[in-house]
Amino acid sequence: AQSVTQPDIHITVSEGASLELRCNYSYGATPYLFWYVQSPGQGLQLLLKYFSGDTLVQGIKGFEAEFKRSQSSFNLRKPSVHWSDAAEYFCAVGEGNTPLVFGKGTRLSVIA
Amino acid sequence: ETGVTQTPRHLVMGMTNKKSLKCEQHLGHNAMYWYKQSAKKPLELMFVYNFKEQTENNSVPSRFSPECPNSSHLFLHLHTLQPEDSALYLCASSQDSGTYTGELFFGEGSRLTVL
Repeated sequence: AQSVTQPDIHITVSEGASLELRCNYSYGATPYLFWYVQSPGQGLQLLLKYFSGDTLVQGIKGFEAEFKRSQSSFNLRKPSVHWSDAAEYFCAVGEGNTPLVFGKGTRLSVIA
Repeated sequence: ETGVTQTPRHLVMGMTNKKSLKCEQHLGHNAMYWYKQSAKKPLELMFVYNFKEQTENNSVPSRFSPECPNSSHLFLHLHTLQPEDSALYLCASSQDSGTYTGELFFGEGSRLTVL
């Protein structure tokens, strides 16, 4: 069965530090990959997506993610975290003709 | 108004009540979705409508009844709910649901509490 795993439930980083959020998936073919962010009291907003081509994709708010087929991973990174990045982050995977499957999310806290 | 708008933002209802959640999108999209978001669980897809036709029903109990009168509006009618149905209900839209490669645009959600 298709699945998406976000191993970290909660991560705390210091403002200005680098960030990496992990996402692993289990799919038969090359999937479509997404990262969404949900700020408190808000809906989800797309940060970035990967369909094909360059395996390093750039997104909004300074985020990037790298698709590694050999590791079935699509980790999200940011070189320097800002306090406003505190939110819940969701990895999602699809195969084109099936609805997206979302991970359970990783909650990011940012401390001064 | 722009984007995806959901009303009400908060709803408290008893198990015998009947209420409805409303979603409206102003993006010209053709597909609309209902998701359920519960604490510590993945986002659960409930229903998908594409060009007003239901294309997905993810084994949702019949106490949840969706309605899509046109491509811009989506309702979720609720009756005889259970306390475990308390959750954040998110509406989303996309250009279409035929390939699921498009971006999903989410509303802010309706927080439902069932007493």
